[in-house]
Amino acid sequence: AAGVIQSPRHLIKEKRETATLKCYPIPRHDTVYWYQQGPGQDPQFLISFYEKMQSDKGSIPDRFSAQQFSDYHSELNMSSLELGDSALYFCASSLVGDEQFFGPGTRLTVL
Amino acid sequence: KNEVEQSPQNLTAQEGEFITINCSYSVGISALHWLQQHPGGGIVSLFMLSSGKKKHGRLIATINIQEKHSSLHITASHPRDSAVYICAVRSSARQLTFGSGTQLTVLP
Repeated sequence: AAGVIQSPRHLIKEKRETATLKCYPIPRHDTVYWYQQGPGQDPQFLISFYEKMQSDKGSIPDRFSAQQFSDYHSELNMSSLELGDSALYFCASSLVGDEQFFGPGTRLTVL
Repeated sequence: KNEVEQSPQNLTAQEGEFITINCSYSVGISALHWLQQHPGGGIVSLFMLSSGKKKHGRLIATINIQEKHSSLHITASHPRDSAVYICAVRSSARQLTFGSGTQLTVLP
């Protein structure tokens, strides 16, 4: 069965650079969630989209933005990267209100 | 106080033992998830519960809505069960709030 796809799996950036993370949800899923998990931390909710519209917003910094496209894939754009942005970024998808399925994550390292 | 509390934080068991991981939450929820995270980070969804009990293979999850408590049980544990097990709840918003996880190590 198709799973959630995230790319890239690993990303290394310098401080103040920009990064774009991509998420391809399970086919026919209408909701995408982004979570950030810092080293030794619990995952924290960043933002979600339902039917290409932002549905909920969590602890997402103003330097980050995200959108969901017509094919339901989502991109998380991160600008002016800081050392503290180093984390594992998960995308999850679901049918609205149903079980969330997680992608493998993108490990971002900011040097 | 965190909205989602798990216990124990760390658990070491011998292969074949019966394992229980507990989760308590303090908010009203629409569903509770049990997740498994392996070294390297990937998260696998094990169960989503809103009431009662679910079973999948050697894994059993129960929830008591009145007591705001859930348990994850692993029967006949195996070294490949070694992972971090995370309880996460969904309240009125759709996103999940995560517990701090239980690091399970099953020794052969």
